[in-house]
Parts: sequence; C-alpha cells; structure tokens
Amino acid sequence: QKEVEQDPGPLSVPEGAIVSLNCTYSNSAFQYFMWYRQYSRKGPELLMYTYSSGNKEDGRFTAQVDKSSKYISLFIRDSQPSDSATYLCAMAPNQAGTALIFGKGTTLSVSS
Amino acid sequence: KAGVTQTPRYLIKTRGQQVTLSCSPISGHRSVSWYQQTPGQGLQFLFEYFSETQRNKGNFPGRFSGRQFSNSRSEMNVSTLELGDSALYLCASSDGTATGELFFGEGSRLTVL
Repeated sequence: QKEVEQDPGPLSVPEGAIVSLNCTYSNSAFQYFMWYRQYSRKGPELLMYTYSSGNKEDGRFTAQVDKSSKYISLFIRDSQPSDSATYLCAMAPNQAGTALIFGKGTTLSVSS
Repeated sequence: KAGVTQTPRYLIKTRGQQVTLSCSPISGHRSVSWYQQTPGQGLQFLFEYFSETQRNKGNFPGRFSGRQFSNSRSEMNVSTLELGDSALYLCASSDGTATGELFFGEGSRLTVL
C-alpha cells in the first residue's frame, strides 16, 4: 500500500460545477497537508496548506483534513475552464517545505 | 520577486552519460529540494539541502547526488544514466522553517536514449 493514494481520474465537469478531489493516507504521523495545482509543462504551485485537522477556505477553494479517517479533500466551487489542471495532494510529518509525500495527482478538465 | 529558476529546461542524454542540473532558489530561501516526476511513480523526493548541508534524503540510489553553494544555488548530478532516469526533475525552495511553504520551478526535462 502506498503512503498516499489519489484517484488519477481524469475528471471532467461542466463550468460552474462543484469539484471534489480526495486523497487517503496511511501514515498517522503526517501533520502538514497541501494541495498543489500543476498545469501542463509547468511546475506545481501551492494552492492550499493546512496544518493538522480542520477546514480552510480561500476564495473558491476549500481544503478539509480528517486525521481520524486519514482522508483529505479539496473542493472547488463554481469551477472555471482555467481550473483545468492536475491536482496533487502532498503531506509531511515534520515540515511543510521538505520531504513531501505526493499523491499521483488527479487530472481535472472543466468544459465551458 | 523572482521565482525558482532551473536550467536547462530540456536535455537529451544517452545511457551511461552523466548530467548536471542547476537550480536558483527564491531570494532569501536557504532550503532547496529536488524531486523526480514520472508518469508511473509521480512526484518523488530526492533530497533537500539547507545552508549547504544535506538535511533530508529520499530513497534513490547513490547515482543521484547534489550540492548547495553558499549563495543557496543548488546542483544535482545523475551519473551513469539509465533509461528509467527519463523524467521531469523539479527543484523547489523554501525558507527552511517548519511552516515554510515549498515553491517549485518549472523543471528540467531529461530524456535518456
């Protein structure tokens, strides 16, 4: 079993839809949870960062962490064609900026 | 504020050769990490350098090495290239603190023939 599991998709939705992206993990030591967005031929860019459990909201994006279930989610409201990208979850036990364990990414396509 | 800069962006090598990739972090960042991204394995952590010292290391063979200079610029080297080393190599920088976020460059795409 990999430490972090993420459904690769692809996921196709119409513009304006609510998108739910999820990851599960096995290492209970993880404390830092991140979501990255990667456009084609670009490096990943940090979208959301959460420490320990709880919810965090930033504009159209909401990140949730449920440590008891070892499950994290990213919700995108009012999805736009510009949201079409690969979304990667990442997590780490001790620091947010090193030795991150990534999921394989979910490819999202939003059609207008 | 300039982002993370990686050079070269694309390169082609043959099996058995070696390659050196370069990374300039965001100004003021002292931590540089390297990741390998492939379709099969996804993003995998190679190593991290902080203030010229390797602070963390992933599970890669000794053919993969790196170093960091006093100006925080970093290089990674892969010796005796294998076909399986074909990948996007991503450099990322952070301030090195526990909550410091990771900022990625656009990567160096290596093709091994």
